[in-house]
Amino acid sequence: GAVVSQHPSWVICKSGTSVKIECRSLDFQATTMFWYRQFPKQSLMLMATSNEGSKATYEQGVEKDKFLINHASLTLSTLTVTSAHPEDSSFYICSAGKEGRSYNSPLHFGNGTRLTVT
Amino acid sequence: AQSVAQPEDQVNVAEGNPLTVKCTYSVSGNPYLFWYVQYPNRGLQFLLKYITGDNLVKGSYGFEAEFNKSQTSFHLKKPSALVSDSALYFCAVRDLDSNYQLIWGAGTKLIIKP
Repeated sequence: GAVVSQHPSWVICKSGTSVKIECRSLDFQATTMFWYRQFPKQSLMLMATSNEGSKATYEQGVEKDKFLINHASLTLSTLTVTSAHPEDSSFYICSAGKEGRSYNSPLHFGNGTRLTVT
Repeated sequence: AQSVAQPEDQVNVAEGNPLTVKCTYSVSGNPYLFWYVQYPNRGLQFLLKYITGDNLVKGSYGFEAEFNKSQTSFHLKKPSALVSDSALYFCAVRDLDSNYQLIWGAGTKLIIKP
């Protein structure tokens, strides 16, 4: 089946620093990837839709200057949390659809990144 | 607008007993429904989907879900629960207004006790 690799699986950083999270589709090309944030005991919150070769589409309330998304190739999207603060600590998950913009296709998820900002 | 509801925050089932995790939806038009499972500190794994056809959909790990149009439900079921089924389960519906993003239920924690 389709595999999405997310790296790192966990990261601890100091307040004010930036952290980059990578999301790769290993055996398929993903023109669109999604970035989610998950708070403890809560559902997924869509942060942004990452489109290959163009600017990401951010959901309302998500700061695009703080959460930088780059989708430079059909297999790689990155999320950079800039000037991280403790309130940015969370579980971040990326996903991609193997069959592009298809209503029928399930999304394939990375294993997530646990970010802790001290 | 599309929406999904999972009315139970947590479901407790004894090992070997049948389990049901409930999901109801609200969509305009034909629904595209999905179930995902999340194990601790992991991403989500696709379990099954309903697009059209047979109302009983079979998926991974012995799970199945029954689509009921009159009740607008898509409950997840398994005839005999395993302790390893303990996880967080999410129901989702395709958001036809926003291309193919998913609208997620709040999730239901399933606890299987030995």
